[in-house]
Amino acid sequence: DAKTTQPPSMDCAEGRAANLPCNHSTISGNEYVYWYRQIHSQGPQYIIHGLKNNETNEMASLIITEDRKSSTLILPHATLRDTAVYYCIVRVATSDSSYKLIFGSGTRLLVRP
Amino acid sequence: GAVVSQHPSRVICKSGTSVKIECRSLDFQATTMFWYRQFPKQSLMLMATSNEGSKATYEQGVEKDKFLINHASLTLSTLTVTSAHPEDSSFYICSASTARQGARGYTFGSGTRLTVV
Repeated sequence: DAKTTQPPSMDCAEGRAANLPCNHSTISGNEYVYWYRQIHSQGPQYIIHGLKNNETNEMASLIITEDRKSSTLILPHATLRDTAVYYCIVRVATSDSSYKLIFGSGTRLLVRP
Repeated sequence: GAVVSQHPSRVICKSGTSVKIECRSLDFQATTMFWYRQFPKQSLMLMATSNEGSKATYEQGVEKDKFLINHASLTLSTLTVTSAHPEDSSFYICSASTARQGARGYTFGSGTRLTVV
């Protein structure tokens, strides 16, 4: 299974952009990169996903390098409510032609007032 | 949007008893459901994947006779922790997906905190 590597923790000031890096050097050509976040004792919340191109939605932007070995999640204007653990995940194929999400260790983001 | 309901949110049981956790997709049909376990300050670990009407596929190291998974309908999957012991105390989270949601389709429940005493 492809694995992801993330810094264990980061912090940023409220209102500033938060840039969360992720390495996935063993990713295969058809494996998507997903980002989820988890606030304490809750289920993970979907943020964004991508394959090759950069993606943007109402929550964040995802920048994927051309060789697809790393990506960066950008929260453009972080708020205190964005404090959470952010998981960079690679979606891998299973033996029965479906897919599963394998979580990495995550980055604990603290947004400071 | 897609909603997954997980019940109960918290459960305390005695050692040696069995506990059942339910995961329901409320507004979509989940062709595949996933069960994860999360210990304090750790990431989510995938336990098993189940397709509706089929036997679950367990990840390496997960005891299938201890963690019984049933996915009898497109909206309901259950995880039964049999003969629970204190080391089974953990946060259990389900996830559901459907091909209709495309590549985005992985919705998580709110989790069940199991405490075995």
